[in-house]
Formats: sequence, C-alpha cells, structure tokens
Amino acid sequence: QKEVEQDPGPLSVPEGAIVSLNCTYSNSAFQYFMWYRQYSRKGPELLMYTYSSGNKEDGRFTAQVDKSSKYISLFIRDSQPSDSATYLCAMRPTGANSKLTFGKGITLSVRP
Amino acid sequence: GAVVSQHPSWVICKSGTSVKIECRSLDFQATTMFWYRQFPKQSLMLMATSNEGSKATYEQGVEKDKFLINHASLTLSTLTVTSAHPEDSSFYICSATGTGDLQPQHFGDGTRLSIL
Repeated sequence: QKEVEQDPGPLSVPEGAIVSLNCTYSNSAFQYFMWYRQYSRKGPELLMYTYSSGNKEDGRFTAQVDKSSKYISLFIRDSQPSDSATYLCAMRPTGANSKLTFGKGITLSVRP
Repeated sequence: GAVVSQHPSWVICKSGTSVKIECRSLDFQATTMFWYRQFPKQSLMLMATSNEGSKATYEQGVEKDKFLINHASLTLSTLTVTSAHPEDSSFYICSATGTGDLQPQHFGDGTRLSIL
C-alpha cells in the first residue's frame, strides 16, 4: 500500500461547480498537510497548509483534515477555468527537514 | 507569500557539458532546500535535501557525483548536473523552507533541462 493515495483523474467539471479532491494516507506520523496547485511547466504553488484536524478556509478553497480517518480533502467553490491545473496533496511528519510525501496528483479541467 | 526563484527556467545544452541551476529564496531565509526531479505526468521525486553550510543528503539511487548540490547561504542553493547526458533531461524543481517546524515548503518554477 502506498503511503499516500490520491483519487485518480482526470476530472472535468463545468464552470461554477464545487470540486472535491481527496487523499488518504497510511502513515500516522504525518502531521502537516498541504495542497499544491501545479500549472503545466511550472512549479507547485502552495494553496493550503494545515496541521490539525478540522477545516481551514481561504477564499474559494477549503482544506479538511480528518486524522482519525487519515483522510484529507480540498474543496473548490465556484470553480473557474483558471483553476484548471494538477492538484497535489502532500504531507510530512514533524521536523523542518522532513521530506514531503506526495500524492500522484489529479488533473482538473474546468469547462467554461 | 514566500517567493522562491529558480534560474534558468529552460536550458538546452550538448551532451557532456555541465549545467548549473540556481534556487533563491527572495523574502525569507531558507534553512533547508530540497531538489526534485519530475517526469511528464508524474509526481515529484525527491533527489536531495540540503541545509545551509552542510553537505546535502541524497536519496537512494541519486548519484552524488552527478548531481552536485551546494547550499552556501541561507538564500541560495545550486544544483550542478555534471557531464550531462540525454537521460538527464527532465524538469528539475527546488523548494525551500524557513526556520521552524511549522514552515511549509515553497517551490520554484522549475528548470526544464534538455540535453542533446
């Protein structure tokens, strides 16, 4: 079993839809959880960063962490064509030098 | 937000040459920098972790003599691909994290390396 599993894609939604992206993990040592957005031929851009169970909201984005179920989600409200990108979940244990473990990424396409 | 600058964004060179890629944290001190490689339609593969003033820690299977990493200051790390060959062609991305356990990794925009 991989340490981090991310829903396979690709995902295509109409503009304005609510998008739900999910990852599960098996390593209970993971304490910090991130969602990155990566456009083609660009580096990943940090969208959300959480380190406790619960919800964190930033504009149209909501990150949800459930440590008891080892499950994290990213919700995008009122999706826009500019949200079309690859979304990567990532997580790590404590320790500033700790390596990130990434999900495989899911490609989202928002149709105008 | 934190900004990481990577240069060059794209380089094409002949087989056998060495290529240096720079990674700079522009508005924070990066105690730790990471170097990744990404193949098309795949996730990021960690190559090495470097701390300022220390030798880099390489992941299993990554050749230290092939991929030289220097982290001489709190704002600059470099990756040199020595005697590059076509199989080294890839997308290389750096990331940096500041001081403290709570800091996330911020990524540069990557360098597309093409070896002819």
